[in-house]
Amino acid sequence: DAKTTQPPSMDCAEGRAANLPCNHSTISGNEYVYWYRQIHSQGPQYIIHGLKNNETNEMASLIITEDRKSSTLILPHATLRDTAVYYCIVRGLKGNQGGKLIFGQGTELSVKP
Amino acid sequence: GAVVSQHPSWVICKSGTSVKIECRSLDFQATTMFWYRQFPKQSLMLMATSNEGSKATYEQGVEKDKFLINHASLTLSTLTVTSAHPEDSSFYICSALPGVPGGEQYFGPGTRLTVT
Repeated sequence: DAKTTQPPSMDCAEGRAANLPCNHSTISGNEYVYWYRQIHSQGPQYIIHGLKNNETNEMASLIITEDRKSSTLILPHATLRDTAVYYCIVRGLKGNQGGKLIFGQGTELSVKP
Repeated sequence: GAVVSQHPSWVICKSGTSVKIECRSLDFQATTMFWYRQFPKQSLMLMATSNEGSKATYEQGVEKDKFLINHASLTLSTLTVTSAHPEDSSFYICSALPGVPGGEQYFGPGTRLTVT
């Protein structure tokens, strides 16, 4: 699976949009971009994933560049409860069950009042 | 979303004893479950992949005789830390993969193991 690069930490003001970048320049054509987050001392929570089109759900939007070498996770109106470590993971689909998730260091997002 | 539970949520044991951690998918069947370990201030490290009805596949450097994994049913996988030592103290997290192609993984809340 391709590796990802994320900034180690970011700050965001409450109520503003949080834009979290991820570089995955070695991604291959059949690999998806997944985003998870982990609030302190809890299990990771799935946020969103995409292949090449931009995606949006109730939690966030995922913008993937046309060359697929980078992506941005957007939390449109960050709240204090969005403070967490955000992980960008590239994963291929292997067989019918999907591939393993290999976690990098992630971005520690601090939402401040 | 789908729910995965772990039991116990925390456990303290003495050095040399064995500890069993359960991972259950509550509202879906999971043919594949994964076990992770996380040390303080570090990221999650994949330990092994557990497939229902077959032997687990361990990541490089993970001792299969120390970390016994059993996936006896489509909703339950167990991790047994045998002869635990203080360096095994960690946060153990499982995830479950629904039996649909490309489905995302759902994570349990984690189990905090402290070995004294």
